[in-house]
Order: sequence, then C-alpha cells, then structure tokens
Amino acid sequence: QSVLTQPPSASGTPGQRVTISCSGSSSNIGSNYVYWYQQLPGTAPKLLIYRNNQRPSGVPDRFSGSKSGTSASLAISGLRSEDEADYYCAAWDDSLSAYVVFGGGTKLTVL
Amino acid sequence: QITLKESGPTLVKPTQTLTLTCTFSGFSLSTSGVGVGWIRQPPGKALEWLALIYWDDDKRYSPSLKSRLTITKDTSKNQVVLTMTNMDPVDTATYYCAHNGDYLLPPDYWGQGTLVTVSS
Repeated sequence: QSVLTQPPSASGTPGQRVTISCSGSSSNIGSNYVYWYQQLPGTAPKLLIYRNNQRPSGVPDRFSGSKSGTSASLAISGLRSEDEADYYCAAWDDSLSAYVVFGGGTKLTVL
Repeated sequence: QITLKESGPTLVKPTQTLTLTCTFSGFSLSTSGVGVGWIRQPPGKALEWLALIYWDDDKRYSPSLKSRLTITKDTSKNQVVLTMTNMDPVDTATYYCAHNGDYLLPPDYWGQGTLVTVSS
C-alpha cells in the first residue's frame, strides 16, 4: 500500500489532454517537492517532472506538473501513442523516519 | 553524463543475505548534497523506496525494512552497496539504484535495474 495515492488507470485518445492525480499529506506533498516519472514497458523509470513543475532537458512541453496543498497533478496534452506507460509520483516525507515515498502508479492507455 | 549500473546475484535462496553494488559515473559522492539510493519493483507492481546514502554519510532507510537493510559507500571506487538480510520470495524484484541531486529530494537519474529472484 503506497503512501501517495494515484488512480490505477487512465486513458485517452490521440490528441486529447489527460491528467493524473497524486494525493498525499502535509508531511510529504504538503511540504515538499513532487517528482513524476514515466516508466515504459520493460525499462527503468525516467524523470519527467521535478520540483513540482520543472521539465528536464529533452522532456516535451506536452508534459506539465502542478501542485496544490497536499495534491499534485501531471497533465499530458496532445496525447500520443508513445505516451502509453506507467506514471509514478514521488515526494520526500518529513515524518519521524524521513524518507522518499512513491505513489502506486497509474497505467496510461492510449486508445 | 550521469550513469549508474547495478550488479549482484540474480538468484538468492530464502534466508540468505543479498548484496547489491551500484557503480556510477558522471558525479562524485563527495559533492555536497549528492546522494545515491535504492528502489525496488516487484514484477507487475509499484516502485518501493528502500534506502539512501548522502555525501556526508547520512543514511536513510525505509521504515518498514530498516531492520534488514544496510547501505554503505566507497567514494574512491564510485560505488554504493546495499545489503538486505533474511531474503524471502516476496523480495523478488527489480532493484534500481538512483542518483539524488540534493538533500530531501526524490531521485533523478536511475540505473537500468537488476532482477533478483528469491527461490530455493
């Protein structure tokens, strides 16, 4: 059972805009940066968004991140078939045992 | 260019101790704020964070696995080692090492991962 809560699945058609939510608490998302990762089948996770809304070099601007309170969202606009992947959110947690927490992942299907 | 690569056994028996090595390049673990950590992913399941060691030897562990984990570094060899005791079939997973660019942040660069199977 993951500390951060994500919907298990999401879907959209090519060209659509989809959003994936990530819900946490005051000890993680509420007080720390949110990161997002894309994991294509059979590969390692790749950083997609860091510090809530920053894109690493090479990540298309179709991907955007936002945060409000204890929740965060990843938005993908102009959906493409190659976006079909698993997406994970992560944040540092300031609880007694400070550590990194992940969401349970969202499987995005491009219909 | 930051790269990380995991190495270790692909098969371990129940109750044995697993030792994994992360060998990295493109950064130094003596640079302020930098860390290297471990994350695992059972087949078909979500990512689970395990442990992290910082440049100043500050170590952080997953609360649920803390009693079984030890993380160490060898800065001169650009390596980080994770040991996990008392392995069980439920520990079967792909184990990733990853770079943390600053304090109290999730990882940014990831290794390719190594699949470890626990079976007698």
